Amino acid sequence: AQSVAQPEDQVNVAEGNPLTVKCTYSVSGNPYLFWYVQYPNRGLQFLLKYITGDNLVKGSYGFEAEFNKSQTSFHLKKPSALVSDSALYFCAVRDIGGRWGSSNTGKLIFGQGTTLQVKP
Amino acid sequence: EAQVTQNPRYLITVTGKKLTVTCSQNMNHEYMSWYRQDPGLGLRQIYYSMNVEVTDKGDVPEGYKVSRKEKRNFPLILESPSPNQTSLYFCASRGYNGGGYTFGSGTRLTVV
Repeated sequence: AQSVAQPEDQVNVAEGNPLTVKCTYSVSGNPYLFWYVQYPNRGLQFLLKYITGDNLVKGSYGFEAEFNKSQTSFHLKKPSALVSDSALYFCAVRDIGGRWGSSNTGKLIFGQGTTLQVKP
Repeated sequence: EAQVTQNPRYLITVTGKKLTVTCSQNMNHEYMSWYRQDPGLGLRQIYYSMNVEVTDKGDVPEGYKVSRKEKRNFPLILESPSPNQTSLYFCASRGYNGGGYTFGSGTRLTVV
């Protein structure tokens, strides 16, 4: 079964320092990987995705993620954190199962989320 | 503006009283899905739909129903809500372009 793990419930970082939010995955076949962010009392906002191509993916708000196939990881990074980056971050992988047996089932499997706290 | 609209945003109800949470998207997306978010569990899929009249169970479908009579709408129905369905619910949609989902703003449901 496909799964996603975010090993840290919370990450604390000082403003201006680099940040990393970790994600590891388990899939059969090639992974479709995503990062979403949730601000308080808001829905989920798409940050970036990896489907194929360059291992370093750039996304919204200065975030990037590095796909590492050998370590089955897709860590989210930002060179310089802002207080406004404080939010709940979710890593997700697209399930390729389902009764239609194709990669287009569309179901996202989420990690449990990591709260990022950036302090001034 | 491309969006997924959920209603209501907040709902408090009593055990056993049927309710419907509506979801509508204006992007002509084929896929739609419902998730529930619970602390420490992330988001778990309840039901999804690949197109009109095509739906399937997700990971936690018990106690829920859905329908997809029109492409833009995907309501979530709780026939007899129970307190363990107290949660934050998200509707999402996606087209065939291989991108990620667009999520609604969420519905916070409390069942007492």
